Amino acid sequence: GAGVSQTPSNKVTEKGKYVELRCDPISGHTALYWYRQSLGQGPEFLIYFQGTGAADDSGLPNDRFFAVRPEGSVSTLKIQRTERGDSAVYLCASSSTLNTGELFFGEGSRLTVL
Amino acid sequence: AQTVTQSQPEMSVQEAETVTLSCTYDTSENNYYLFWYKQPPSRQMILVIRQEAYKQQNATENRFSVNFQKAAKSFSLKISDSQLGDTAMYFCAFMKPNNNDMRFGAGTRLTVKP
Repeated sequence: GAGVSQTPSNKVTEKGKYVELRCDPISGHTALYWYRQSLGQGPEFLIYFQGTGAADDSGLPNDRFFAVRPEGSVSTLKIQRTERGDSAVYLCASSSTLNTGELFFGEGSRLTVL
Repeated sequence: AQTVTQSQPEMSVQEAETVTLSCTYDTSENNYYLFWYKQPPSRQMILVIRQEAYKQQNATENRFSVNFQKAAKSFSLKISDSQLGDTAMYFCAFMKPNNNDMRFGAGTRLTVKP
């Protein structure tokens, strides 16, 4: 596609449930990033992929959070045993090179945990 | 660790006037990238302008320019001839070369008034 696509746009779930958020990056972009944005805050880094591998997952808050990118394109962020504090907008971004720093963002997935 | 501080949670400006958004950062690195991203209500983050720390000349993109003061670790954004479409959240961001942990400030909500 022309831009970064994220689905679902909005997700409401109950505490304790499992959630998957999908990101389809710009075609040909090897780098993919996940950020979490809480209300009134700037995006917070979660994880970065270069190709299929997670090059840096230091931002994942705990072991309930996991992300995959099996074929080096689409990525899925997985959250187990969701908690109310997980409610946020989850942003995905992709880029084509390491050095320019320009990230192309999707519109995000708003997760609400009741 | 790098931190980015935006001390103005909200700003407003009259249409056609000029406004400056502030950003300071903390780093021990000598080379890095600085960015201003715009986030309209649609949630999609859009790159406004980028500055490489080794370049002394301030970056300019049409109505948007920066005042980069490396010694003071300051990176302000000036928007000239403000337009209603400039209304958005603006985030200052920092990234080291070859590092993919882009750090964002908390953002400044800019409102352009007719």
